[in-house]
Amino acid sequence: GAGVSQSPSNKVTEKGKDVELRCDPISGHTALYWYRQSLGQGLEFLIYFQGNSAPDKSGLPSDRFSAERTGGSVSTLTIQRTQQEDSAVYLCASSLDGTKQFFGPGTRLTVL
Amino acid sequence: RKEVEQDPGPFNVPEGATVAFNCTYSNSASQSFFWYRQDCRKEPKLLMSVYSSGNEDGRFTAQLNRASQYISLLIRDSKLSDSATYLCVVRLFSGGYNKLIFGAGTRLAVHP
Repeated sequence: GAGVSQSPSNKVTEKGKDVELRCDPISGHTALYWYRQSLGQGLEFLIYFQGNSAPDKSGLPSDRFSAERTGGSVSTLTIQRTQQEDSAVYLCASSLDGTKQFFGPGTRLTVL
Repeated sequence: RKEVEQDPGPFNVPEGATVAFNCTYSNSASQSFFWYRQDCRKEPKLLMSVYSSGNEDGRFTAQLNRASQYISLLIRDSKLSDSATYLCVVRLFSGGYNKLIFGAGTRLAVHP
């Protein structure tokens, strides 16, 4: 079956612009997570959606970052007024029950 | 102190060698444990869960010591294709949310 998909696979933007990153989770998975990973670093948790519950936003690094999950499926991560330090790979994962996670291929964001 | 700590490596081993990675976690309320594998410039993929009794999957053996808050992964008869970064992961249920906490990873390089 289809895995987690993310788009775009690569995004180059100029400092100060807004970007939107999309994640399509595995069908039926109620939990959806966003992480980012800088080159050679570990995964940094950003935000977590579980069903219809309020999301856990505790990992968002600033108010320039926000995410939505519409209809319990597709999620969009938005970064406003991008900065060079936002450059990283943004990974989305989904889970059936909040335990084992399945990752998408990521979006590589480069802020010039 | 990081919530999940791993030796970053790299571990450079010849084909056929046995190699072991260790990981420690700080939160005694951690409930589930996993090893993920991440190839260079790819997304993490679940390698195996870790159970208290220890578990084996082919050449891979995982152990958990709850008293010492320590997890291990043993790889026997290393193959070139085992070269990757191995991520130690713990699951916490806190505040109504399931969170996976990822270690920064241990890099393994298997050479001919």
